Amino acid sequence: DIQMTQSPSSLSASVGDRVSITCRASQGISNYLAWYQQKPGKVPKLLIYAASTLQSGVPSRFSGSGSGTDFTLTISSLQPEDVATYYCQKYNSAPWTFGQGTKVEIK
Amino acid sequence: QVQLVQSGSELKKPGASVKVSCKASGYTFTTYAMTWVRQAPGQGLEWMGWINTNTGNPTNAQGFTGRFVFSLDTSVNTAYLQISSLKAEDTAVYFCARYVNGHGFDHWGQGTLVTVSS
Repeated sequence: DIQMTQSPSSLSASVGDRVSITCRASQGISNYLAWYQQKPGKVPKLLIYAASTLQSGVPSRFSGSGSGTDFTLTISSLQPEDVATYYCQKYNSAPWTFGQGTKVEIK
Repeated sequence: QVQLVQSGSELKKPGASVKVSCKASGYTFTTYAMTWVRQAPGQGLEWMGWINTNTGNPTNAQGFTGRFVFSLDTSVNTAYLQISSLKAEDTAVYFCARYVNGHGFDHWGQGTLVTVSS
């Protein structure tokens, strides 16, 4: 099965900083990659699908890039409401594996 | 609007069974697959498997075979997750989520906490 590895596992940044999270697939998955945001105690929320397409209603400070095996989620200007754990997920074929998550905090 | 409403929290003893429901509304139920995700306390998201809402055919992820059964009642637009022979390590929040081909999981239920304790 294809493994999804995120880095870093956690990060702390200041409000207004540019933040990037990477996700690496152990084999190529084309662009079948989604990013989810899960705030503490809340339900996961789809942010980006097809590696770079913003889900409706998601702020434009979020962006995604990549194809094949290497992907990046970028928050252009970190806001207090962005404190959450972020997960990547492959969905080219089952199993639709999640990465282990990246916890984002405010410094 | 699309909604997935799950059944309430459950407290079960080891060895018992539990059935979690996920009632969909706001769209044609049989158009999109339904998937299940587990989140143990303080842990990440684990994909458990999915069920084809058109055919009823389930697919279980590795690690979620045998004791985990996905089913449907299309007459009431509801998907179910049944877990038998519960163990303490099954204590988790279980989410249902709608899978849209090419888009991932675009709508999620609110989650159902299953606690297994003697």
